[in-house]
Amino acid sequence: QKEVEQDPGPLSVPEGAIVSLNCTYSNSAFQYFMWYRQYSRKGPELLMYTYSSGNKEDGRFTAQVDKSSKYISLFIRDSQPSDSATYLCAISGGYQKVTFGIGTKLQVIP
Amino acid sequence: DTGVSQNPRHKITKRGQNVTFRCDPISEHNRLYWYRQTLGQGPEFLTYFQNEAQLEKSRLLSDRFSAERPKGSFSTLEIQRTEQGDSAMYLCASSPSPQNIQYFGAGTRLSVL
Repeated sequence: QKEVEQDPGPLSVPEGAIVSLNCTYSNSAFQYFMWYRQYSRKGPELLMYTYSSGNKEDGRFTAQVDKSSKYISLFIRDSQPSDSATYLCAISGGYQKVTFGIGTKLQVIP
Repeated sequence: DTGVSQNPRHKITKRGQNVTFRCDPISEHNRLYWYRQTLGQGPEFLTYFQNEAQLEKSRLLSDRFSAERPKGSFSTLEIQRTEQGDSAMYLCASSPSPQNIQYFGAGTRLSVL
C-alpha cells in the first residue's frame, strides 16, 4: 500500500463548478497536510497547508483534514480556466521528507 | 524574498557525463530538500539537509549521486556517469524550522541522451 493515494484523473469540469480533490494516507503519525499546484514543466507551488485536523479556507480554496479517516480534501469554488493544473497532496511528519500523491490533473473548461 | 532558485533550468547531457545542479534556498530557511519527479508522478524524496548536515538519504540516491551544502546556504546535487534513467525533473525545496512547510524551486530538467 502506498503511503499516500490520490486519483490521477484527469478531472474535467465546466467553469464555475465546485471541484473536490481528495487523498487518503496510511501513516497516522503525519502532522502536516499540504496541497500544491503544479503547472506543466514548472515546480510545485504551495497552495495551502494545515497542521493536524480541521478546515482552512483561503479565498476560493478550502482544505479539510480528517485524521480519524486519514482523508484530506481540497475544494475549489467558482473554478476558473486558470485553475487548470495538476494538484498534488503532500503529507509529512515534523521535519522529515514530504510524501506526495501522484497528482490529479484538473481541466476547467470555459 | 526571491524564493527558491535552481540552476540551470534545463540540462541536456550525453550518457556517461557528470552533471551538477545548484539550489539557493529561501535565505532564512535552514532545511533544504532534493526531490526527483518523472512524468506523471509526484516528486520523490532524495535527500535533506539541516544547515550543512545531510540528515537523510533515500535509497533512490545511488552511489552515483552526491549532494552537498557546504556552508548551510546553497546546495549542489551531482550525478556522475549519467544514465538515461536519470532523465527527470530535479526539484529543490526549503523550509523554516520547526515547521515542515516546504517551498519549491522551478526545478532543473535533466535530459540524458
